[in-house]
Amino acid sequence: AQSVAQPEDQVNVAEGNPLTVKCTYSVSGNPYLFWYVQYPNRGLQFLLKYITGDNLVKGSYGFEAEFNKSQTSFHLKKPSALVSDSALYFCAVRVDRDDKIIFGKGTRLHILP
Amino acid sequence: ETGVTQTPRHLVMGMTNKKSLKCEQHLGHNAMYWYKQSAKKPLELMFVYNFKEQTENNSVPSRFSPECPNSSHLFLHLHTLQPEDSALYLCASSQEPGTGEETQYFGPGTRLLVL
Repeated sequence: AQSVAQPEDQVNVAEGNPLTVKCTYSVSGNPYLFWYVQYPNRGLQFLLKYITGDNLVKGSYGFEAEFNKSQTSFHLKKPSALVSDSALYFCAVRVDRDDKIIFGKGTRLHILP
Repeated sequence: ETGVTQTPRHLVMGMTNKKSLKCEQHLGHNAMYWYKQSAKKPLELMFVYNFKEQTENNSVPSRFSPECPNSSHLFLHLHTLQPEDSALYLCASSQEPGTGEETQYFGPGTRLLVL
């Protein structure tokens, strides 16, 4: 069965520092990987996705993620954090031709001024 | 705005009430989804509709009844709910699943409180 794990419930980063939100996955086929962000009282917003090709994917708001097949990871990164990046971040995985996306439990990111 | 709207945004209901949640997408998508988001739990997929046909029912209790009259509208009918059903209910839409690259676009959610 496919699954996705976000090992950290919360990540605290000082403004201006680089940030990383971790995600690992377990699938039996080719993974399609996604990152979503949820601001308070809002639905999830798409940030970026990996389907195929270049392992480094660039997305909205300066975020990027690197697909690492050997480590089955898809960590979300940003070189310099902003206070406005504080939100709940979800990693998700779907297997090729499977119409169900599995979401991680989310990681709350706090950017400290 | 993502092009997916949900009404109402907030709902308080008793356990004997019947209510409905509405979702509408203006993106020309063919697939629509209902998710349940509870505190400290992963997002739970409840139902998937693809071209108005239900393709996924993720062991959801019968007190939740979905309806998809067309590709743009999705309803979730609620009756005799339990307090543990209190959660944020999110609707999403996408191009048809299985194309390999579809992204889901979410509405703002309905915050449901069952008393």
